[in-house]
Amino acid sequence: ELKVEQNPLFLSMQEGKNYTIYCNYSTTSDRLYWYRQDPGKSLESLFVLLSNGAVKQEGRLMASLDTKARLSTLHITAAVHDLSATYFCAASSLLQGGSEKLVFGKGMKLTVNP
Amino acid sequence: GAGVSQSPSNKVTEKGKDVELRCDPISGHTALYWYRQRLGQGLEFLIYFQGNSAPDKSGLPSDRFSAERTGESVSTLTIQRTQQEDSAVYLCASSSTDTTLNYGYTFGSGTRLTVV
Repeated sequence: ELKVEQNPLFLSMQEGKNYTIYCNYSTTSDRLYWYRQDPGKSLESLFVLLSNGAVKQEGRLMASLDTKARLSTLHITAAVHDLSATYFCAASSLLQGGSEKLVFGKGMKLTVNP
Repeated sequence: GAGVSQSPSNKVTEKGKDVELRCDPISGHTALYWYRQRLGQGLEFLIYFQGNSAPDKSGLPSDRFSAERTGESVSTLTIQRTQQEDSAVYLCASSSTDTTLNYGYTFGSGTRLTVV
């Protein structure tokens, strides 16, 4: 059974600082997703990582995937207050017929302080 | 529509009553998912629809939960004889083969269900 773990689950950091958060998954997965959720809002897709060594960047966020280690990282550069949110990673496995299940981690609540 | 639409946005119901939650996916999206998010938790898979194929119901927690989807249109999630542990936000997501690889799934804003 595919399981996804994120750490840390809570992070408080100062503006301008850098930090890396981690997402481990337990079995082979074909894709890795990162989502952002603001309080009371739905999930916003950030990154889709499709293969080993994939790296994607958007603004101050950069995500990478190591399928051999079953690990994805989300690196935050020079954090700003607007990045405060909960970040979820989700791993997937392709099923017969091309369908796919996503298994989510518990999420990491990030607070960026001025 | 431009996004995934869910209704109602909030629902308070008495224990033992039945509730029906609705999801309007993005037009043309063949895949539709229902997830449940309990307070402070990650998302829990409930059910998956892909076109006209038989749905994957493996995540439904009990036989009180059921869902339907007609073709590639609206889906309804029904919870019978609601219990307090059913209180959660129920999220719907849709995607198509073309969009998943680049953009992932598009989630609706969810229905917050409170069972009192």
